[in-house]
Amino acid sequence: DAMVIQNPRYQVTQFGKPVTLSCSQTLNHNVMYWYQQKSSQAPKLLFHYYDKDFNNEADTPDNFQSRRPNTSFCFLDIRSPGLGDAAMYLCATSRDGTGNEQFFGPGTRLTVL
Amino acid sequence: GENVEQHPSTLSVQEGDSAVIKCTYSDSASNYFPWYKQELGKRPQLIIDIRSNVGEKKDQRIAVTLNKTAKHFSLHITETQPEDSAVYFCAAKSGGSNYKLTFGKGTLLTVNP
Repeated sequence: DAMVIQNPRYQVTQFGKPVTLSCSQTLNHNVMYWYQQKSSQAPKLLFHYYDKDFNNEADTPDNFQSRRPNTSFCFLDIRSPGLGDAAMYLCATSRDGTGNEQFFGPGTRLTVL
Repeated sequence: GENVEQHPSTLSVQEGDSAVIKCTYSDSASNYFPWYKQELGKRPQLIIDIRSNVGEKKDQRIAVTLNKTAKHFSLHITETQPEDSAVYFCAAKSGGSNYKLTFGKGTLLTVNP
């Protein structure tokens, strides 16, 4: 089945230790998004790619970076995780630039010790 | 930018009753309004969406209405069932952005058997 896959599902890291989260999609969608969702809050957009065109949200901390080496894969790098970065990280895709239906992956739960 | 307000934050109903969740948005150019259901620890899943050229859309027990003049839209669930229990998020796609969805803060719906 076509889908959005995230690995790992659970990630534990130490304060300040870099971590990379992975997202892949078989939908062949042009747009990929990374959201941060903290407990009992709405998903918050960090950035998105339209093809290889990277778009950062103004309030996304510099600590968060992203890479999209090809259509199928997108990575979220957290360079120096702090305790406040503990959250669920959701990857999503949409077919094109009209920004319509977004398909979400299952998320990666990040714990920072 | 777009701002989406969602009410109520929690809603408890008896099985078989109807549930209504309301959202308002600030950008009159917004043109796409999806509703997502998120069960505990799972991905947000699109349950219904509406575009700005339509006033109402129904899908079995779920309906969404849109009032562009008042800039509000609502989710209606009829004949609620315990499996409808989840957090529901409304969102709006700003007319100024092809990609970004702005989410409401969510409504925790509990359907009591």
